[in-house]
Amino acid sequence: NAGVTQTPKFRVLKTGQSMTLLCAQDMNHEYMYWYRQDPGMGLRLIHYSVGEGTTAKGEVPDGYNVSRLKKQNFLLGLESAAPSQTSVYFCATQGAREQYFGPGTRLTVT
Amino acid sequence: RKEVEQDPGPFNVPEGATVAFNCTYSNSASQSFFWYRQDCRKEPKLLMSVYSSGNEDGRFTAQLNRASQYISLLIRDSKLSDSATYLCVVITNTGNQFYFGTGTSLTVIP
Repeated sequence: NAGVTQTPKFRVLKTGQSMTLLCAQDMNHEYMYWYRQDPGMGLRLIHYSVGEGTTAKGEVPDGYNVSRLKKQNFLLGLESAAPSQTSVYFCATQGAREQYFGPGTRLTVT
Repeated sequence: RKEVEQDPGPFNVPEGATVAFNCTYSNSASQSFFWYRQDCRKEPKLLMSVYSSGNEDGRFTAQLNRASQYISLLIRDSKLSDSATYLCVVITNTGNQFYFGTGTSLTVIP
């Protein structure tokens, strides 16, 4: 089992460019999450999903969109990247008690 | 006010030392509590759950004080491999969102 995987691992964007981060899981979990992690800020929830076809806003949703068309995939989109979106992005799924994280995507916006 | 607050440290301790971290949470209705460990440039992973009666896992002991709204993690006989960032995590009574502290950095020195 791969668990939770994220694509890509690294990316550099110019301001105004768009991109999509892909999260895939093979654990059959209903709940999936996107977080960003910045120094001194900890993990902050961007959006989450409680099942296929559903999404909800988290603490810092502005500038991001998400889709959950299939249970195993959760996509995070940046329509017009800004330098403030430079961060490490983690996807997670929720099991019975804990969250399982992907390895992260390091995004730099110049 | 942040949902979860932690002392960021850093804590630098010699091998064999005992070290304790505290974390406070703001929502008195919070229902579940965890400690996660995050190694440098890696994803967070569950270290242990925190139960009302306190619980122990080898050299690690977790305590919950609901009256004062804090949780603690005690590490005895520190090893070099314990060097990491320790994240305090709280789940609200809705159960959908995990709130992460900013993390406490620990370095165990030979």
